[in-house]
Amino acid sequence: EVQLVESGGGLVKPGGSLRLSCVASGFIFNNYNMNWVRQAPGKGLEWLSSISKSSSQIYYADSVKGRFTISRDNARNSLFLQMNSLRVEDTGIYYCARDARELLLGGQGTLVTVSS
Amino acid sequence: DVGMTQSPLSLPVTLGQPASFSCRSSQSLVYSDGNTYLSWYQQRPGQSPRRLIYRVSNRDSGVPDRFSGSGSGTDFTLKISRVEAEDVGIYYCMQGTHRPTFGQGTKLEIK
Repeated sequence: EVQLVESGGGLVKPGGSLRLSCVASGFIFNNYNMNWVRQAPGKGLEWLSSISKSSSQIYYADSVKGRFTISRDNARNSLFLQMNSLRVEDTGIYYCARDARELLLGGQGTLVTVSS
Repeated sequence: DVGMTQSPLSLPVTLGQPASFSCRSSQSLVYSDGNTYLSWYQQRPGQSPRRLIYRVSNRDSGVPDRFSGSGSGTDFTLKISRVEAEDVGIYYCMQGTHRPTFGQGTKLEIK
């Protein structure tokens, strides 16, 4: 069974930083592209970023480009999202997701709250 | 970005009756490999989203066979043959052919 366990969320002031982590199990991590997706309170889902199996290809949504950095450690079956210059509108639940084109979410997400 | 438009936004259905969700994309979702990357997700109240269907019509493991997906090109449908109480929630479509985008969701409620 695919399991994705996100962590690292919390309360941060506008302009602050956070680093999210996602530990994967139940599949061969380095065989899959990975993604981050978020959901603002009471809103729908938004894809944020993807990273290829070898980290050679990385993409970002315009809303986070230049502020967020995705990375992965295949030896530790882990995905990361470094979030800098956080804004109030970045508040939400952040999920990691497997697969390049048919995102498979498997965790409870981690809550990020940006507030002064 | 490819726009994904779902309708209706709210869908009241009687238990045991069918339900149908529509999703339309602003561009064709046929990828260069011949596949169409259209997925459906269910989000029950208070829970994380769960993928139900991938590549238009393939059910994920553990998804009841009362759920089915169909469509092609820019026009897609998710159907529930007989709605059960546990089906209440929001249903999202998502395209992965281009940079991933989600529809705004359709809220299924029991009438």
